[in-house]
Formats: sequence, C-alpha cells, structure tokens
Amino acid sequence: NAGVTQTPKFRVLKTGQSMTLLCAQDMNHEYMYWYRQDPGMGLRLIHYSVGEGTTAKGEVPDGYNVSRLKKQNFLLGLESAAPSQTSVYFCASRDMYREPYEQYFGPGTRLTVT
Amino acid sequence: LAKTTQPISMDSYEGQEVNITCSHNNIATNDYITWYQQFPSQGPRFIIQGYKTKVTNEVASLFIPADRKSSTLSLPRVSLSDTAVYYCLVGDGTGTASKLTFGTGTRLQVTL
Repeated sequence: NAGVTQTPKFRVLKTGQSMTLLCAQDMNHEYMYWYRQDPGMGLRLIHYSVGEGTTAKGEVPDGYNVSRLKKQNFLLGLESAAPSQTSVYFCASRDMYREPYEQYFGPGTRLTVT
Repeated sequence: LAKTTQPISMDSYEGQEVNITCSHNNIATNDYITWYQQFPSQGPRFIIQGYKTKVTNEVASLFIPADRKSSTLSLPRVSLSDTAVYYCLVGDGTGTASKLTFGTGTRLQVTL
C-alpha cells in the first residue's frame, strides 16, 4: 500500500516548455487535489476532482490543466511554463464519506522554471 | 470563503504543552476544522479534526468554542520531533474543495 505517489520528484523546465505531473493513489479515494506551495508559504489549491472524469478549479488554476481519466490517477499539466510556476507541488487524496475527512498527501514535486 | 489566521511562529521547550490558535471568523455551518503537520520537504500529515467542542486523539487535542470562530490545537509535552509547521484547514466534508482554505501555518520550534 504505497498511499499517494508523485512523479517526478524534481524537474527543471525552461520558460515556455510543457510538462505533466502524475499523481497516483492506491486507496480507492474519490477525491483528489493538486496544491502548490511557494517558499515559506502555505498550500494553495490549484484544481481538484471529486471523481473519475470530473475536475474543478481551485484557488489558483490559471496556467494549469488537469485530467482524471482513471480513478487512481490525477494529472497536472503546465502547457507553457513560467518562472512564477516555480514551486513545490503536492497531490492529495481523500475518501468521500469516511470521517475524519483526512487528506493523504504525496511527497511533492519540486519544479523550477528558468 | 472562511479565511484563517494563525501566529507565524512559536517557540517552546521540550516537555511543555503547546497551544496554537487559529482564527476563522467566517466559518460556515457545514465546515470542519482540521489540523495538519508538515516537516521540511514532506507533504502535510493529518493531526486531528473537529466540528465543535473538544476532540482528543493519541497525539493532540482540539478545542473549539461554541461560536466556532476559532480553534486551538493543543500538543501535550512536546518533543524536539514536534518541530514543524502546523496548518489549520477549514472546509466542509462534501468535497467541494473550492471552499478549502489552508492557513498560512505556524512554525513551531522546540528546543531543549
């Protein structure tokens, strides 16, 4: 039971390049989330999904796209990377009904855009 | 949107009880209050969750007054390994995540 895994762990991009971050969970959770965390700051929600085939915007969605084609995977895409997207990206998942409503976080992806 | 406010940092000695307060004046009726712990270079980890009154588990207690406009995380007898950033999260349980708001976090430093 690996929990929530994220691929890759580190990545350096040049401005204008694109990439996809992969999040996978093996807990059969319905809800999945993508956050970004800038240095010394809290987490800000980018996009989230309440089930396979559904996605929705969070607090800071601009410049990102997401897809949830399979229940266990949640992909975060950057179409044209910008230096402002340099951050640590965390994925999380949560069971729909079980209390407490606990989010399980992945280890993060550290992205640098030059 | 329930905005949360926490102290930026706190210091404590090992063995003391630490109380961290989070203010959430605009909390909605369906909102829960959840606290997470984060170590450097790791994802946040769940500590405790509550709706009202007091909740206790094996690592912490959560106190929520009747008006629910604030909450206090209590860590009994902290150790050096409790040095971390603690986040307060307010949101409902429906999964409508656009309503989820993480606080800015409180950096707790525990020393001998």
